[in-house]
Amino acid sequence: EVQLVESGGGLAQPGGSLRLSCAASGFTFSDHYMDWVRQAPGKGLEWVGRIRNRVNSYTTEYAASVKGRFTISRDDSKNSLYLQMNSLKTEDTAVYYCARVQSSSYGRDYFDYWGQGTLVTVSS
Amino acid sequence: DIQLTQSPSFLSASVGDRLTITCRASQGIGSYLAWYQQTPGKAPNLLIYAASTLQSGVPSRFSGSGSGPEFTLTISSLQPEDFATYYCQQVDSYPRTFGQGTKVEIK
Repeated sequence: EVQLVESGGGLAQPGGSLRLSCAASGFTFSDHYMDWVRQAPGKGLEWVGRIRNRVNSYTTEYAASVKGRFTISRDDSKNSLYLQMNSLKTEDTAVYYCARVQSSSYGRDYFDYWGQGTLVTVSS
Repeated sequence: DIQLTQSPSFLSASVGDRLTITCRASQGIGSYLAWYQQTPGKAPNLLIYAASTLQSGVPSRFSGSGSGPEFTLTISSLQPEDFATYYCQQVDSYPRTFGQGTKVEIK
């Protein structure tokens, strides 16, 4: 059974940092691209970014709203995905989900499994 | 960035109703569109991908159609567990974007 479990959420101050983790199991983690998606309270879904697999050199993509502040990484030996969030802003307050990308093929990279989410609150 | 506009944003319906939600893209995205369902407090769940392909395990009352700028999600006979918020998402280009959501509530 595919499982994705996020952790690391909590309260952070504006300008502060937080590191989220996503522990994966039930599938060959190293084969898949992985993404982060967030959802502000009462709002819709916002894509945060992606990390590709080793075959694709672990390259990354980011939303403009987080580029330069957030960094996505992975450790295939630990089946884990990470989101390092720096220079946090109040508007980064959201539930953060990690999501497995179904296929690395162009136009087929939908999110077929999601974690339960972890809440990040940025407030002074 | 590609903007996705869903209509309506809110829908009140009854069990057994046929429901259609529309998603319009600001530019052509071929068939590179998915639909997700989200119930309160839960993560989204993939329903449809490639505009019209039903994800494994999703009931056949859900269907998707369309290409280019306009897509539709149809629920043929609404069930109690279908009252949720639905999002479309494009995977044609970066950044990946979602529609604003359509909330389906019980009439």
